[in-house]
Amino acid sequence: DIQMTQSPSSLSAYVGDRVTITCRASQSISSSLNWYQQKPGKAPNLLIYAASSLQSGVPSRFSGSGSGTDFTLTISSLQPEDFATYYCQQSYSSPWTFGQGTKVEIK
Amino acid sequence: EVQLVQSGAEVKKPGESLKISCKGSGYSFTTYWIGWVRQTPGKGLEWMGMIYPGDSDTRYSPSFQGQVTISADRSISTAYLQWSSLKTSDTAIYYCARRTTGGGRVWFDPWGQGTLVTVSS
Repeated sequence: DIQMTQSPSSLSAYVGDRVTITCRASQSISSSLNWYQQKPGKAPNLLIYAASSLQSGVPSRFSGSGSGTDFTLTISSLQPEDFATYYCQQSYSSPWTFGQGTKVEIK
Repeated sequence: EVQLVQSGAEVKKPGESLKISCKGSGYSFTTYWIGWVRQTPGKGLEWMGMIYPGDSDTRYSPSFQGQVTISADRSISTAYLQWSSLKTSDTAIYYCARRTTGGGRVWFDPWGQGTLVTVSS
């Protein structure tokens, strides 16, 4: 199985900060990388697919980049509604696997 | 609106059987794979398997093969996840999600609201 490792596991930030979350795959996955946001008590919600494509309806302050083994999710200006846990997921090969999550908290 | 609606929370005893459901609407149910994902505090999100309702082709993660059964009834646009003998370790939130493809890439969207399964004696 392909292992996905996110860093950091958690972070504290102010509203308006630029936030970057990284995800590393244990082998090359091309651009087969998706990002999800999950709020407490809710299902994961797709933010970015294919490494850098913004899902319809997702604010443009979210962006994704990377290919091969290293990927990043960037929130350009953190908003109150962005405090949540973020997961990366590889869809290069079955079984699809997820990172352990990055919890973004208010500072 | 594309939507997946899951059945409600369940409380079961070890050894009991269970079948939870996921009903799709707003799209052609038979032309998209539906996957199931388990979420636990200890292991996070784990992909369990998926089914193509059009012909009931089913794929399982090796970690879940033989532990659960995925099925679908296309006449009512519903996918199922079932256990024949639950264990306390099956306690988790279970999500269904539609597998979507584009440009050779794959992602899950949308997701159902989740079904909490609690197994306790």
